[in-house]
Amino acid sequence: ENVLTQSPGTLSLSPGERATLSCRASQSVGRNYLAWYHQKPGQAPRLIIYGASTRATGVPARFSGSGSGTDFTLTISRLQPEDFGTYYCQQHASWPITFGGGTKVEIK
Amino acid sequence: QAQLVEFGGGLVQPGRSLRLSCVASGFSFSTYHMHWVRQAPGRGLEWVAVLTPDGSQTRYRDSVKGRFSISRDNSKNTLYLQMNGLSPEDTALYYCARDAVGPDMANWFDPWGQGTLVTVSS
Repeated sequence: ENVLTQSPGTLSLSPGERATLSCRASQSVGRNYLAWYHQKPGQAPRLIIYGASTRATGVPARFSGSGSGTDFTLTISRLQPEDFGTYYCQQHASWPITFGGGTKVEIK
Repeated sequence: QAQLVEFGGGLVQPGRSLRLSCVASGFSFSTYHMHWVRQAPGRGLEWVAVLTPDGSQTRYRDSVKGRFSISRDNSKNTLYLQMNGLSPEDTALYYCARDAVGPDMANWFDPWGQGTLVTVSS
């Protein structure tokens, strides 16, 4: 299966700072078969990016996704209090669908 | 607004069975692929299974093949997950999730339900 490795495991930042999250796949997922989700404690994940770089409906422009092949990045330009939590990448280029282990973005 | 609500979780002994349900509202349920995704306590996300809109085709992760069965009743806007031969490794919060794009399978998920907890323990 295609293993997704997210780094760093934890990111400690202050509101207003820029967050850069990495997702590396063990096999290529092409250009579009990658999504990102945000999960707050006690809540279900919420889709924020699909097709590697397309923001889901209602997602603010401070979120952007990039990358192709095996290396992908989620960038949050200026962190807001509601952005803290855990972010997961997910590939759907091959079966089984797999998720990364997550990056926790916490308040510094 | 699309909404998913899961039911049926609980404490079950190893080797026993459990059936989860997911009731959908706010969208045309019968036109979407539907998935189950699970999350073990304090762990990450793990995709479990997918079902086509008409219920004719399924896919499962290897660790649940032959034990779990995904199905749906479009007349009741309900998705099911029948889990047999449960083991402690199946302990998790089980989410149902809608495939994000109508009849064509996209394999990303939006929205998700709030999940139902399954605990397998003697």
